[in-house]
Amino acid sequence: KAGVTQTPRYLIKTRGQQVTLSCSPISGHRSVSWYQQTPGQGLQFLFEYFSETQRNKGNFPGRFSGRQFSNSRSEMNVSTLELGDSALYLCASSSGAANTGELFFGEGSRLTVL
Amino acid sequence: QQQVKQSPQSLIVQKGGISIINCAYENTAFDYFPWYQQFPGKGPALLIAIRPDVSEKKEGRFTISFNKSAKQFSLHIMDSQPGDSATYFCAASKGGGATNKLIFGTGTLLAVQP
Repeated sequence: KAGVTQTPRYLIKTRGQQVTLSCSPISGHRSVSWYQQTPGQGLQFLFEYFSETQRNKGNFPGRFSGRQFSNSRSEMNVSTLELGDSALYLCASSSGAANTGELFFGEGSRLTVL
Repeated sequence: QQQVKQSPQSLIVQKGGISIINCAYENTAFDYFPWYQQFPGKGPALLIAIRPDVSEKKEGRFTISFNKSAKQFSLHIMDSQPGDSATYFCAASKGGGATNKLIFGTGTLLAVQP
């Protein structure tokens, strides 16, 4: 069974640009969550989608947005990039059962903002 | 109240020794406590998890000890091996709602020396 696939793996952007990251969950998984990982702040929850609906949202500015498609694939978008947005963005999928905590993470998309 | 505090930040253990990582939380609504292991360049992977209705859970060389009254939980790695060298994250989540949002600790970098 294929794992969570994230694309692109690495990307470099400049301040003010926008970026879209993609995530394909494990087949059959209906929940997709996004996390930001930085050395200073650790792993922080961005948002979670289940059956195309945002189920929960973390404390990030409105520049961070996401969506989920009918095939459970998800994208997140960051607009007007800032230097502080440089991070590893991790996507995680789960079967969708509430509060299992068992998330399957991808290897992440490493974003560098110059 | 949403924080999960993790210590130590880093840990060096000799091969065959016991590695102990501690976490504390404040929000009594948390009812699921997983531990994740992350190797460089990879996403976190679920190691072991516990719910507050039990005080200890063991899976192979990994044991979680849970103290509900103290709001603390810890990971013990018995017979630590060089292959266990990784970053370990504790986490917590709330039940009752349809969400897989995890609050992560800040991580512990474990180095097991041969």
